[in-house]
Amino acid sequence: NAGVTQTPKFQVLKTGQSMTLQCAQDMNHNSMYWYRQDPGMGLRLIYYSASEGTTDKGEVPNGYNVSRLNKREFSLRLESAAPSQTSVYFCASSEALGTYEQYFGPGTRLTVT
Amino acid sequence: AQSVTQLGSHVSVSEGALVLLRCNYSSSVPPYLFWYVQYPNQGLQLLLKYTSAATLVKGINGFEAEFKKSETSFHLTKPSAHMSDAAEYFCAVSERLLDDMRFGAGTRLTVKP
Repeated sequence: NAGVTQTPKFQVLKTGQSMTLQCAQDMNHNSMYWYRQDPGMGLRLIYYSASEGTTDKGEVPNGYNVSRLNKREFSLRLESAAPSQTSVYFCASSEALGTYEQYFGPGTRLTVT
Repeated sequence: AQSVTQLGSHVSVSEGALVLLRCNYSSSVPPYLFWYVQYPNQGLQLLLKYTSAATLVKGINGFEAEFKKSETSFHLTKPSAHMSDAAEYFCAVSERLLDDMRFGAGTRLTVKP
């Protein structure tokens, strides 16, 4: 039981390049999330998926797109990376939205130069 | 929208001393409140949560938190700090069953020998 896995662990991009961050969970959870973590700002929600087939914007969605590929997988895409997107990205999952515990992956450290 | 404020971005205590990490929330309806811990280079994991049952909530590793509606607070405490408690701690709030969760900026706890 691996929990929530994320790939890659580290990535360096040049401004304007694109990339997709992958996330998978093996807990049969309905809901999945993408957060970014910046110093002094805590975690901010980028996008979430309440259930398979649905996605919704969070607090900071600009510059990102997501795909809920199936119940297990939830990917985050940066179409044209900008230095402001340098951050640590966390994927999480939970049984459902709201009061349920979220389980986090180990994170992806992204640097955009 | 709901929000949390964590007072003190950095708290330092001696081993064996009381740990007190402060969290105040803003919510228009009875909130659901959470404390998460993040160890270096890892994702977040749940310490404890309040979902309108008992106001004093006990969590893992000897931590507990008390919900005080009159003070809109949910402070995290531990009677005796251990070196292994050194980590970053995040308070989070969710307003409704289907709402997304909002995290505070985090408090980094240092434990001195």
